[in-house]
Amino acid sequence: SQTIHQWPATLVQPVGSPLSLECTVEGTSNPNLYWYRQAAGRGLQLLFYSVGIGQISSEVPQNLSASRPQDRQFILSSKKLLLSDSGFYLCAWADSPAMKKLFFGSGTQLSVL
Amino acid sequence: SQQGEEDPQALSIQEGENATMNCSYKTSINNLQWYRQNSGRGLVHLILIRSNEREKHSGRLRVTLDTSKKSSSLLITASRAADTASYFCATAGHAGGTSYGKLTFGQGTILTVHP
Repeated sequence: SQTIHQWPATLVQPVGSPLSLECTVEGTSNPNLYWYRQAAGRGLQLLFYSVGIGQISSEVPQNLSASRPQDRQFILSSKKLLLSDSGFYLCAWADSPAMKKLFFGSGTQLSVL
Repeated sequence: SQQGEEDPQALSIQEGENATMNCSYKTSINNLQWYRQNSGRGLVHLILIRSNEREKHSGRLRVTLDTSKKSSSLLITASRAADTASYFCATAGHAGGTSYGKLTFGQGTILTVHP
């Protein structure tokens, strides 16, 4: 069966420090991968999505970047964190662009201080 | 931008009562989905309704879709304390469109079911 791993669960980082959040998927191949951010437990904002290795689409201009070095690995990064980068980050995957269902990781709560 | 907008933002009911949440969206869709999120956790898919469907059931869940009004509702019957969570609608676009391959989520409804 398919599983998605996202870590760490919580992270406290100082302003100006780098960031690397990792997400891996098991039990499927060539998934569509997504990074969402959720502020204050409310709506999700799509940050990045990827349909294949090295293919990244950015949805909003921001201080973050994403990479997909392997088929089932999706990484969210920043060179220098801002206070406004704080939030709950969720990785998700879908088995096709037809979007029948998204499977979410357990999320990373990032606090930038 | 957020496509779906849910209302109410928060709903508080007693166990055994029904809970109804509504979602409105702006553009043409391929399907609409509802997700549940327990506090501090990832979202879990509940149910999907296609644009050519009007109603769908799954256990205690009933979803309706009115494409002419660009709206959907989620009904949870005979609610339980364990149904306490946030509920989100999400829309998927048609193939070839700018929203294809992505889900756009609304702001969510926070449901509290009191025992």
